[in-house]
Amino acid sequence: DGGITQSPKYLFRKEGQNVTLSCEQNLNHDAMYWYRQDPGQGLRLIYYSQIVNDFQKGDIAEGYSVSREKKESFPLTVTSAQKNPTAFYLCASRTGAGGNQPQHFGDGTRLSIL
Amino acid sequence: AQSVTQLDSQVPVFEEAPVELRCNYSSSVSVYLFWYVQYPNQGLQLLLKYLSGSTLVESINGFEAEFNKSQTSFHLRKPSVHISDTAEYFCAVSDRGDYKLSFGAGTTVTVRA
Repeated sequence: DGGITQSPKYLFRKEGQNVTLSCEQNLNHDAMYWYRQDPGQGLRLIYYSQIVNDFQKGDIAEGYSVSREKKESFPLTVTSAQKNPTAFYLCASRTGAGGNQPQHFGDGTRLSIL
Repeated sequence: AQSVTQLDSQVPVFEEAPVELRCNYSSSVSVYLFWYVQYPNQGLQLLLKYLSGSTLVESINGFEAEFNKSQTSFHLRKPSVHISDTAEYFCAVSDRGDYKLSFGAGTTVTVRA
C-alpha cells in the first residue's frame, strides 16, 4: 500500500544535540511538507519542498533544517538552536500544483527533551 | 496566506446527537477547503473537501460540510454521532495556485454514551 512512513515514532533529545526525523513516501508525490503540532495551536508549517533539490521556509523554520535529495525522502533535522523542540511532528505530501489536491499525512514523530 | 478560525476548541456531545463544528477563513478569493480528522497519536486523515461546484459536500461516514462564500465559512455537521467519532477535527484552506495549506487550531469532539 502506498503511504508516508515517519520514523521513529518517539524520539528523545538531549540538550545541545541535533536529531533527525525521517519521512519517506511511496506515493510518487512531488511536494512534501513538515509541520509542528502543539496542543491548541493546530499545525504550523516548518518547511516545504515542491521538487527535488528545492525547499522553502515555512512559518516557523528557525532551529530546523531539511534536505530533498530524493523525491521520496524529506528528512527534518531539529538543531540545538531550537530551544523548545518538544512537539508532535507531522510529515505530509501532495501531488500536483494548484492547491486542489489534498495533503496526505504520516503518523507523526513525538519528540521530547531528556 | 489565509487565516482559519475554528470557533470551538472543545465540543462534548452525546451519542446519537447532532454536532456542528464551525470554521471561518479570512479571504473570499478563490479557495479550496478541507476537513481533516485526527485520532490520538496518529496523523491527519482527509474527511472531505470542497473544490468547486455544489456547495454541500459529503463524506462516506455521514459527515457533511457546506461552503458559504459570502460568510467565508465551511462548517462541518453530522446528524447523529457515534462513540468512534471522538477525535480532533481540523479545518484547512488553500488559495488556488498555492502549495500551502492554512490550518485552524482544531476542535476536539468527545462523544459520550
